[in-house]
Amino acid sequence: ILNVEQSPQSLHVQEGDSTNFTCSFPSSNFYALHWYRWETAKSPEALFVMTLNGDEKKKGRISATLNTKEGYSYLYIKGSQPEDSATYLCAFTNYGGSQGNLIFGKGTKLSVKP
Amino acid sequence: NAGVTQTPKFQVLKTGQSMTLQCAQDMNHNSMYWYRQDPGMGLRLIYYSASEGTTDKGEVPNGYNVSRLNKREFSLRLESAAPSQTSVYFCASSADPVEDTQYFGPGTRLTVL
Repeated sequence: ILNVEQSPQSLHVQEGDSTNFTCSFPSSNFYALHWYRWETAKSPEALFVMTLNGDEKKKGRISATLNTKEGYSYLYIKGSQPEDSATYLCAFTNYGGSQGNLIFGKGTKLSVKP
Repeated sequence: NAGVTQTPKFQVLKTGQSMTLQCAQDMNHNSMYWYRQDPGMGLRLIYYSASEGTTDKGEVPNGYNVSRLNKREFSLRLESAAPSQTSVYFCASSADPVEDTQYFGPGTRLTVL
């Protein structure tokens, strides 16, 4: 059974702090790693899709890195703002997996206090 | 563009009742998905349709059926609802079933009494 682990489960930071969290996934037959942002009472929104080892993606104050050989990805938020409060999900898919079968982690819930 | 739409937004059923959750997308995507989200469990795939005319089971298909009515629409049916099916249901779509971003609908909150 393929498993995606995210840590920490939850995180409380002050406005202006920079923070990061981890997504771990099976490294064999890797195909793609997705990051989503999920605000309470809304639906998940895509942040990044990464496919190559060493990929780095950036959107504003949020960036992500990918290490497919060791099976992890980091999401960084620089200078956190209250509007960054959300659950951040990663999802993984591999070669040989069922088509369309994104395997989601349980998420890291970020709370940013003003 | 409305993106992915789902109806209804909320529903309460009694055990044994049936219902169909509707999903439609206007992005000309090939692939569509149904997930359920339960506290502490994350998103779990129920069924998906990689392309029009095909459907496949996901991680938790028991108690559900699906129909890919056409390229735009993908419905999820509960034939005999059980309290264990109380959940928030999300429909999603993507252009490509493996690499591309999935776009999610607003969700349907279902309670089975």
